[in-house]
Amino acid sequence: KQEVTQIPAALSVPEGENLVLNCSFTDSAIYNLQWFRQDPGKGLTSLLLIQSSQREQTSGRLNASLDKSSGRSTLYIAASQPGDSATYLCAVIKGVLKTSYDKVIFGPGTSLSVIP
Amino acid sequence: EAGVTQFPSHSVIEKGQTVTLRCDPISGHDNLYWYRRVMGKEIKFLLHFVKESKQDESGMPNNRFLAERTGGTYSTLKVQPAELEDSGVYFCASSPFGTVDYTGELFFGEGSRLTVL
Repeated sequence: KQEVTQIPAALSVPEGENLVLNCSFTDSAIYNLQWFRQDPGKGLTSLLLIQSSQREQTSGRLNASLDKSSGRSTLYIAASQPGDSATYLCAVIKGVLKTSYDKVIFGPGTSLSVIP
Repeated sequence: EAGVTQFPSHSVIEKGQTVTLRCDPISGHDNLYWYRRVMGKEIKFLLHFVKESKQDESGMPNNRFLAERTGGTYSTLKVQPAELEDSGVYFCASSPFGTVDYTGELFFGEGSRLTVL
């Protein structure tokens, strides 16, 4: 059974710091991994998608890495800003074939506060 | 292109009443998923449609929950009768199916917040 954990559960940093959020999963047979952001009372916004054949993806100040063999992904946020404050969720997507169904397992999230 | 839309954004009902949540996926997306997040817990899978067929409903908590996707377009999730523990945020997501460049990326709606009093 796939389990996804995220460390830390909460993080508070001063503005401008670089930070790393961690995601671990128990079953390395994943199709891809997706990082989301959730603002209070809002839906999930996709940040980065890493396919199982990839090692990392970058978008602006965000960089996500994936190490399937060790069951880990990290989300690196450079030069953090108060607007980055939100809950960050990782989700592993398990699909064997492109025509098979997928099941998405979410981690519990990391609540990030960036202090001005 | 419109994203995934959900209605209502917030519903407050009394225990024992019925509520129906609606999700309109992105046009052309065959995969439709329902998830929910109850207070303090992580987001949990409820069920998965491929077009109008229920592919996986292993996450549905009990028979008070009924999901439909007639015609393979929008989906409804009915809770009848609602209980206090059903309170939470219900998310819908969609993704395309079986295309050459299929990545499995999920696109989420804003969620429907359900409060059962």
